[in-house]
Amino acid sequence: QKEVEQDPGPLSVPEGAIVSLNCTYSNSAFQYFMWYRQYSRKGPELLMYTYSSGNKEDGRFTAQVDKSSKYISLFIRDSQPSDSATYLCAMVGRNAGGTSYGKLTFGQGTILTVHP
Amino acid sequence: EAQVTQNPRYLITVTGKKLTVTCSQNMNHEYMSWYRQDPGLGLRQIYYSMNVEVTDKGDVPEGYKVSRKEKRNFPLILESPSPNQTSLYFCASSPLGIGANEQFFGPGTRLTVL
Repeated sequence: QKEVEQDPGPLSVPEGAIVSLNCTYSNSAFQYFMWYRQYSRKGPELLMYTYSSGNKEDGRFTAQVDKSSKYISLFIRDSQPSDSATYLCAMVGRNAGGTSYGKLTFGQGTILTVHP
Repeated sequence: EAQVTQNPRYLITVTGKKLTVTCSQNMNHEYMSWYRQDPGLGLRQIYYSMNVEVTDKGDVPEGYKVSRKEKRNFPLILESPSPNQTSLYFCASSPLGIGANEQFFGPGTRLTVL
């Protein structure tokens, strides 16, 4: 079983729709939770990060973490064609020796297309 | 311009021929990391470095080596490449740890091992 599971989609929605992207995880030691966006032929860029359970909002984006259920979500309101990209969740955990937080585990990525 | 650079950008090689992919950042970042990206598997971390002379394994370190002798450089070494290492490789850096800091990614290196 993978430590982080993400539905790869693809997901196709009309412009203006609310998009919900989700990841589940099995490692309760994960501390930080992030969402990255990756456009075709580019490196990923950080969208949002959260540390604790709850919601965090930034413009049209809301990140939600539920540590008790080991579940994170990203909501995109009023989606735009420019939001078309691959969205990856990522989680930070400890190294094997437990001495530092630097190990990053990604989900498989969800391909999102927003059509006009 | 603040950036992460990788070289080469594209490489085709043959099984067993040692190669090095260089990664350099000019932002004085402490944290650097290598990832590979394969269709349907997302990004997987190979190795990371919290600081000079400090490296640690990610999820898929087998077949790779790294070193961090100076802050700005973090080369990825494939001692004996095999076809299953054909992939898109990204280097990234971050000011401190990656918990609450943004990682800046390089442009990627597309490697094909025949």
